[in-house]
Amino acid sequence: GEDVEQSLFLSVREGDSSVINCTYTDSSSTYLYWYKQEPGAGLQLLTYIFSNMDMKQDQRLTVLLNKKDKHLSLRIADTQTGDSAIYFCAESDQAGTALIFGKGTTLSVSS
Amino acid sequence: DAGVTQSPTHLIKTRGQQVTLRCSPISGHKSVSWYQQVLGQGPQFIFQYYEKEERGRGNFPDRFSARQFPNYSSELNVNALLLGDSALYLCASRATGASPSGYTFGSGTRLTVV
Repeated sequence: GEDVEQSLFLSVREGDSSVINCTYTDSSSTYLYWYKQEPGAGLQLLTYIFSNMDMKQDQRLTVLLNKKDKHLSLRIADTQTGDSAIYFCAESDQAGTALIFGKGTTLSVSS
Repeated sequence: DAGVTQSPTHLIKTRGQQVTLRCSPISGHKSVSWYQQVLGQGPQFIFQYYEKEERGRGNFPDRFSARQFPNYSSELNVNALLLGDSALYLCASRATGASPSGYTFGSGTRLTVV
């Protein structure tokens, strides 16, 4: 079945780059997403990538997609303390009706 | 424009009771989905509604039901509450049934079952 795996924790220093990794199983997923969740809040869509793309850049965010290995990564340049949050990778299911989320990666940024 | 709004924000219920959660999508969005997020986990898909029809259902028992109204707002009902139903319930909307821009999520309803 569909499954999304993420590493659980990442700790970086302010100003460094952060790279959050994700693997997914459904090769038919058309879109792949990155969401951010701050404590006590809902999910904020950060960016998404179409499955026929290799890379997408949006200001400090860079998404890399390796479709062969079903590997997705999110790079945050010049990480700030305000970037501390849980980051979720998600793929759309085969029917296109649901998002399948990973368990989330907790990013901790120290000053 | 207001985002996705959910009510109530917090709720405490007793085992066996019933609960109704409400969601108003972004104006113009016709698709509403519900997700359950247990502490420490990613959100799990419960339902999707589009144009007032159920278009998808996740692996949840029949105690969970939902509906969408003509103004595209939605309610999620959970009967015979169990302790394990304690979670953050998230509503999300998007313009169409399959918009690539993804869903916009509300801040959720925190349900505690005691």
